[in-house]
Amino acid sequence: DTAVSQTPKYLVTQMGNDKSIKCEQNLGHDTMYWYKQDSKKFLKIMFSYNNKELIINETVPNRFSPKSPDKAHLNLHINSLELGDSAVYFCASSRLSDSEQYFGPGTRLTVT
Amino acid sequence: QQQVKQSPQSLIVQKGGISIINCAYENTAFDYFPWYQQFPGKGPALLIAIRPDVSEKKEGRFTISFNKSAKQFSLHIMDSQPGDSATYFCAASPSGTYKYIFGTGTRLKVLA
Repeated sequence: DTAVSQTPKYLVTQMGNDKSIKCEQNLGHDTMYWYKQDSKKFLKIMFSYNNKELIINETVPNRFSPKSPDKAHLNLHINSLELGDSAVYFCASSRLSDSEQYFGPGTRLTVT
Repeated sequence: QQQVKQSPQSLIVQKGGISIINCAYENTAFDYFPWYQQFPGKGPALLIAIRPDVSEKKEGRFTISFNKSAKQFSLHIMDSQPGDSATYFCAASPSGTYKYIFGTGTRLKVLA
């Protein structure tokens, strides 16, 4: 009965590779998000989707491409991975634009 | 103007003591102020949230105090317990923007 799930939990890859992170929520929410948490624990929004439509793109490099096949899923594809992409990526969802956001368990991405 | 400033960066409290974490903002368009708790290896989870029409909200041992004129809000944890040891994030959201601006986090350690 996990509310927001992400796969994989850990991802170790080499520079230049392409990887994807998947997110699913079973809360019936309309809005989903991707956040990046860096090594200093700073949490920053990357993207927000509402009803499968991109709402927020926070000046993220275009190597990052979110895709929302339906309201329950928001995947993140990253091309040409760089060392600086190493971080924990969190997916989240909410019912309304300014209501509680429910976070997934995170995906720790390590680029070597 | 989009920043949320959080202090202190870290906090050590004796069991049974009061933990106080402060946040300040500048953007008067913010109208939703949640606090999140994050344990190591987990996603952030909502602890308590407040809107600017009230000055205080209490849920169990957790209280948010909100000062609209000073643009400050704080989290008080009464009777702090070792199980409260975690990183705490304040956040602010402008109405209808689908976006949280997170503070930089406070690492709380409660000594047994």
